[in-house]
Amino acid sequence: GQQVMQIPQYQHVQEGEDFTTYCNSSTTLSNIQWYKQRPGGHPVFLIQLVKSGEVKKQKRLTFQFGEAKKNSSLHITATQTTDVGTYFCAGPEIQLNQAGTALIFGKGTTLSVSS
Amino acid sequence: DAGVTQSPTHLIKTRGQQVTLRCSPKSGHDTVSWYQQALGQGPQFIFQYYEEEERQRGNFPDRFSGHQFPNYSSELNVNALLLGDSALYLCASSRRGRNSPLHFGNGTRLTVT
Repeated sequence: GQQVMQIPQYQHVQEGEDFTTYCNSSTTLSNIQWYKQRPGGHPVFLIQLVKSGEVKKQKRLTFQFGEAKKNSSLHITATQTTDVGTYFCAGPEIQLNQAGTALIFGKGTTLSVSS
Repeated sequence: DAGVTQSPTHLIKTRGQQVTLRCSPKSGHDTVSWYQQALGQGPQFIFQYYEEEERQRGNFPDRFSGHQFPNYSSELNVNALLLGDSALYLCASSRRGRNSPLHFGNGTRLTVT
């Protein structure tokens, strides 16, 4: 079945270091969304990418959507302790060759930051 | 402007029992989706409701059922609970539309003993 995979599963960095997580889909996606879940919290929407090759920035966070619309990445520059959490990518489920509105989530990358 | 609210926050049930979880969507949202999140995993889609009907369903058995009310609030029911049903159950609301982002509630932590 349709899968969304993320690597690495865990990443520990020193404060100030950069961090990147990668997302790969088994199918071409109409869009990809990124969510952040703080420890003990719930997923919070970060951003959505729609166009092939799209790059979006939010302060220290840079999101990319691959040319084939099957992969994506999130890069954080100069991590801070507030960046701690699990980052999920998610894409629409394909049903009957059409993208529905249900999202398939990856297993996430858990980021820990030491000061 | 209230976000997505879920109740209860925590629940402990015994195998074989039944449970009902409740969700009120964010103001202005008409679509409610339910997700199951096991420890260390990403959210898994259970089903989605719009206009009081189940519109999409994930790979979950019929023991999982739901309902949406005219005010857009929703319930998730699970019958004949199994130990493996222990998880965080997340409700997410959105506006109808393929690219509409999800707004999650704080979830209900269900423990089945």
